[in-house]
Amino acid sequence: NAGVTQTPKFRVLKTGQSMTLLCAQDMNHEYMYWYRQDPGMGLRLIHYSVGEGTTAKGEVPDGYNVSRLKKQNFLLGLESAAPSQTSVYFCASSYPGTYQGYGYTFGSGTRLTVV
Amino acid sequence: GESVGLHLPTLSVQEGDNSIINCAYSNSASDYFIWYKQESGKGPQFIIDIRSNMDKRQGQRVTVLLNKTVKHLSLQIAATQPGDSAVYFCALRGETSGSRLTFGEGTQLTVNP
Repeated sequence: NAGVTQTPKFRVLKTGQSMTLLCAQDMNHEYMYWYRQDPGMGLRLIHYSVGEGTTAKGEVPDGYNVSRLKKQNFLLGLESAAPSQTSVYFCASSYPGTYQGYGYTFGSGTRLTVV
Repeated sequence: GESVGLHLPTLSVQEGDNSIINCAYSNSASDYFIWYKQESGKGPQFIIDIRSNMDKRQGQRVTVLLNKTVKHLSLQIAATQPGDSAVYFCALRGETSGSRLTFGEGTQLTVNP
């Protein structure tokens, strides 16, 4: 049982380039999330999805797009990367609601540097 | 909306001591709280959670205390070990956020041998 898998683990982009981060979960979770983590700012929600074919904006959605074509996958796209998007990106998944003992399951992160 | 703050960004303790990490929140309607542990280079891992109808919950070497009157959450780690060194985040769910969690900024716990 792999849980939440993120690819790639590291990436360096030039300003203006595009890329897609892939998140895959094998726990049959309905909800999936993309966060970015920056020093001193904690985890900030970029986009999330409450089910296959649905997406919604989070706290910091500008410059990012997402797609949830399959229940197990949640893709985060950067169309034109900017240095301000240098960050560590985490994907998470969960069941609907808040079940005691569940919470979110996180992936191991993607470290992205935009130069 | 909800906001979550931690009292101290860093905490240094001696191996074997007890550690207490604190978290304050603003939304009195928050009904579910979680503590996560994040080791260097890894994603956050679930430690323990508590619902708002409880004041205390215990796990293995960890205890979470919830004081709804002053909107304060704490994580106590008994007999702290070097493997406990990590960043600890509190997270909460508020009535306006559905299932989405709001995270605090984290406390870096360092355990000295």
